[in-house]
Amino acid sequence: DAGVIQSPRHEVTEMGQEVTLRCKPISGHNSLFWYRQTMMRGLELLIYFNNNVPIDDSGMPEDRFSAKMPNASFSTLKIQPSEPRDSAVYFCASRSLSASRGEQYFGPGTRLTVT
Amino acid sequence: QQQVKQSPQSLIVQKGGISIINCAYENTAFDYFPWYQQFPGKGPALLIAIRPDVSEKKEGRFTISFNKSAKQFSLHIMDSQPGDSATYFCAAHNAGNMLTFGGGTRLMVKP
Repeated sequence: DAGVIQSPRHEVTEMGQEVTLRCKPISGHNSLFWYRQTMMRGLELLIYFNNNVPIDDSGMPEDRFSAKMPNASFSTLKIQPSEPRDSAVYFCASRSLSASRGEQYFGPGTRLTVT
Repeated sequence: QQQVKQSPQSLIVQKGGISIINCAYENTAFDYFPWYQQFPGKGPALLIAIRPDVSEKKEGRFTISFNKSAKQFSLHIMDSQPGDSATYFCAAHNAGNMLTFGGGTRLMVKP
């Protein structure tokens, strides 16, 4: 299996622009998680989907952030409008129901820089 | 109450030495405690995990020690190698299927 696939790997954009990050989970996994990683705040869970349905979005910083999962093989995280403080590495992770608790498979991340 | 506190933030160990990373939690509802390893430019990857009804789990050179009454757990890396140089995250799993991560420890093993 190719693992969790994220695109783009790097994104540089100007403040105010819309940014869309993409994730393809591992086939057969039914839970998907979006995380943000910064030096200051570490790894933060933004939103969690189960069977394509958002379960917990309490980590989404504000209304500028939105996430969708239209089907089992694709999810997007959108930031509109982007701000410099959104600069971070964004990870997508997926999990199978049959996996042990706490076992998540992370993608390689998207490094976002907002200037 | 969802926090997991991890220390130290960074650690330098000589090759062959023992690396020890500590974590503490408050929420007694956490039901599983994994450790993740992250190399530069990569996503975190599950390294080893422990249930709260077990006091120790060993996999190769990696051992988790778990103290339920103190709400603390630690990762020991025996015979540390330069290839172990990475950032390590402890985490705690809740019944809502979510992980709360510690702040991370950047380990450097000197040859």
